[in-house]
Amino acid sequence: ETGVTQSPTHLIKTRGQQVTLRCSSQSGHNTVSWYQQALGQGPQFIFQYYREEENGRGNFPPRFSGLQFPNYSSELNVNALELDDSALYLCASRRTGGNTEAFFGQGTRLTVV
Amino acid sequence: RKEVEQDPGPFNVPEGATVAFNCTYSNSASQSFFWYRQDCRKEPKLLMSVYSSGNEDGRFTAQLNRASQYISLLIRDSKLSDSATYLCVVLYTDKLIFGTGTRLQVFP
Repeated sequence: ETGVTQSPTHLIKTRGQQVTLRCSSQSGHNTVSWYQQALGQGPQFIFQYYREEENGRGNFPPRFSGLQFPNYSSELNVNALELDDSALYLCASRRTGGNTEAFFGQGTRLTVV
Repeated sequence: RKEVEQDPGPFNVPEGATVAFNCTYSNSASQSFFWYRQDCRKEPKLLMSVYSSGNEDGRFTAQLNRASQYISLLIRDSKLSDSATYLCVVLYTDKLIFGTGTRLQVFP
């Protein structure tokens, strides 16, 4: 067990709705990254937070937004859901700097209908 | 061009076989390199880091060629339990970038 927990594990939403996914990072880790993984693809980088500030963003539209809290837990918010947003959303935590391992949560499987 | 490229496979090999996966990355300033393993419908887990001099962990050997921007993973004496997707991962500007993954299926 990695110590990184995500909630919920599964979710079904309707197109146009909004969703919030949550991640509790491992103790001592100050960096949280979010990834979207579609079926048969590798994880795609959405964005990363370090000490409550976004410090990197992938090629995702602004309707994907996030937060990091003082305890380093994090949220991913997606507005105006589209069918193509259906995917596994992964949260990874690590200590920034150097050759440090990232630990993943079990993911949230989002289905948009 | 994708930042990290891998052959998606699948690689179907018998137990005991040796199999090699390759990966190329586009950013020459990439800082660190890893291989992650992902089982079906599970989260990725670190298999091993990749060091410039090459490194080995049991049946697994990883190599890095910075000049060619190329990473490899060699699995010797494949086991049924090695069946999974192997993800090549590059740390660039403090962000982990994943390849698409190479699927390995080991059969009896």
